[in-house]
Amino acid sequence: NAGVMQNPRHLVRRRGQEARLRCSPMKGHSHVYWYRQLPEEGLKFMVYLQKENIIDESGMPKERFSAEFPKEGPSILRIQQVVRGDSAAYFCASSPLAGYNEQFFGPGTRLTVL
Amino acid sequence: AQSVTQLDSQVPVFEEAPVELRCNYSSSVSVYLFWYVQYPNQGLQLLLKYLSGSTLVESINGFEAEFNKSQTSFHLRKPSVHISDTAEYFCAVSTPSGGYQKVTFGTGTKLQVIP
Repeated sequence: NAGVMQNPRHLVRRRGQEARLRCSPMKGHSHVYWYRQLPEEGLKFMVYLQKENIIDESGMPKERFSAEFPKEGPSILRIQQVVRGDSAAYFCASSPLAGYNEQFFGPGTRLTVL
Repeated sequence: AQSVTQLDSQVPVFEEAPVELRCNYSSSVSVYLFWYVQYPNQGLQLLLKYLSGSTLVESINGFEAEFNKSQTSFHLRKPSVHISDTAEYFCAVSTPSGGYQKVTFGTGTKLQVIP
């Protein structure tokens, strides 16, 4: 059973470009969580999605950031008009149930904004 | 809202010496507790977790953590560290929130094992 997959693993963008980060949850998992890890900081919750629904986006910046988890395909975290402060590692996690006691993490996407 | 405090940002320790990484949390509801390890440029790996039952939990590579409800702590210990334990360790607390488990992480402790 493959784990959580994220791609790309590394992404370089220039200021003003768009960044798209993909997350494929573990097989059988329909709940996805996105976290951001800024340099020298811990992980901060961004958004929680179920298939076709955003359940909790309380950690998402109000502008430029959006997330989706379509019925088919991976979850996408989209950052429009990136700025240098968006440089970070973005981690995705998944769980089989909403109230499951553990989240399983992917390897992360490291975004560098030049 | 819950919070997690890892007071030590860096802990240097000599190889084969014991180590304790401290973690304190605050929450008004019952919690699940976790320790994750992150090696350079890699993702998070679950080291151990406390869900219920025995307050002492162990990992397969010699780490253990004890849940202390009265002190709201979940310190991570290892009696003898190895070079390969050099990594960053994150404590996390999971609490029920609107029908799902919301996870809050500490800021991490970098363990540096000195040969």
